[in-house]
Amino acid sequence: GAVVSQHPSWVICKSGTSVKIECRSLDFQATTMFWYRQFPKQSLMLMATSNEGSKATYEQGVEKDKFLINHASLTLSTLTVTSAHPEDSSFYICSARPGSGELFFGEGSRLTVL
Amino acid sequence: AQSVTQPDIHITVSEGASLELRCNYSYGATPYLFWYVQSPGQGLQLLLKYFSGDTLVQGIKGFEAEFKRSQSSFNLRKPSVHWSDAAEYFCAVGASAYNTDKLIFGTGTRLQVFP
Repeated sequence: GAVVSQHPSWVICKSGTSVKIECRSLDFQATTMFWYRQFPKQSLMLMATSNEGSKATYEQGVEKDKFLINHASLTLSTLTVTSAHPEDSSFYICSARPGSGELFFGEGSRLTVL
Repeated sequence: AQSVTQPDIHITVSEGASLELRCNYSYGATPYLFWYVQSPGQGLQLLLKYFSGDTLVQGIKGFEAEFKRSQSSFNLRKPSVHWSDAAEYFCAVGASAYNTDKLIFGTGTRLQVFP
């Protein structure tokens, strides 16, 4: 099946710094990618929909100025957590689909903010 | 509000034993239901999905799930568990068959398999 890859898989940063997480579709082009967040023992929550060449669509309650999403190419979307704080520590997962087909998920990126 | 409940946070079974993972949903319209598996260090992989028709759906790796509208359930089953099935399992409900832009996930069930 199609492959979606995230980098880094694990990152630790100091409070107040910014962290960028990449999501790549390795063998297909994705005009739309999705970013989720998963807190421990909680379900995956959709944060935003990343649209190639246009602004991302954020879910209610997600701060767009804090979670910057850029989808500059058909194979890459990035999520930047700006001025990260310990409460932003979480597991971030992206997904993408080729055309209108099945969703494929990345392996996730664990962010720890000290 | 739409929601998915997986009542069991952690399940332990012996290899070769049967397995049933529970999933209940609350959704106002016709649900599109999914089961995903996540192994350590890997992305979520689709096991099976239900859109319509036969309420018993077959998936990969020998898994099956049965949609019961009267019980708002979509439980995942496997007759004989293998050690490689140890993973996290997520049930999800979506608004449509493929354009599931807003999948609603359960909290997951972690499966541990003893030899």
